[in-house]
Amino acid sequence: GAVVSQHPSWVICKSGTSVKIECRSLDFQATTMFWYRQFPKQSLMLMATSNEGSKATYEQGVEKDKFLINHASLTLSTLTVTSAHPEDSSFYICSAGGWTGELFFGEGSRLTVL
Amino acid sequence: GENVEQHPSTLSVQEGDSAVIKCTYSDSASNYFPWYKQELGKGPQLIIDIRSNVGEKKDQRIAVTLNKTAKHFSLHITETQPEDSAVYFCAASNAGGTSYGKLTFGQGTILTVHP
Repeated sequence: GAVVSQHPSWVICKSGTSVKIECRSLDFQATTMFWYRQFPKQSLMLMATSNEGSKATYEQGVEKDKFLINHASLTLSTLTVTSAHPEDSSFYICSAGGWTGELFFGEGSRLTVL
Repeated sequence: GENVEQHPSTLSVQEGDSAVIKCTYSDSASNYFPWYKQELGKGPQLIIDIRSNVGEKKDQRIAVTLNKTAKHFSLHITETQPEDSAVYFCAASNAGGTSYGKLTFGQGTILTVHP
């Protein structure tokens, strides 16, 4: 199956700093990527839809100025958590569409804000 | 918007038994129903999916059934093994052609297979 890679897999940062998470489709081009957030023992909640070459579409309740998404190429989307606070600590997961229509997920990035 | 309900929240079975997880959805326009397996600390892994023009799909020990009229779909795992232990999520979306609809996930089921 298609491979979606996320980096870093985990990151610890101080409150107030910004953190960038990368999502790459390794063997296919993805015009659309999705970013999810998952709190412990909960389901995945869609944060935003990232479209190559255009602005991301954010879900209701997600602050677009806090969670900056850039999809500059067909194989890379980035999520930047700006001025991170402890409540932003979570598991962030991206997904991208494969050539057969399925959505494949990355391995996730665990963010811990101290 | 779409709402997906998943049951049970936890499921414990003996190795070799079958496991069934059920989901219901609310939006009749949804046409793509994937199932994901998530192990601790990892991203979800697609294990099987079904589209609305098919009633059943099977892949070795895993099968999925879809009842469009009742708006529910189920995951069936036969001959369970300890390595099947994980969290399973169902999802639904309205996907058309190469357009990947937004996935709405169920709440997840923690499956434990006892040796």
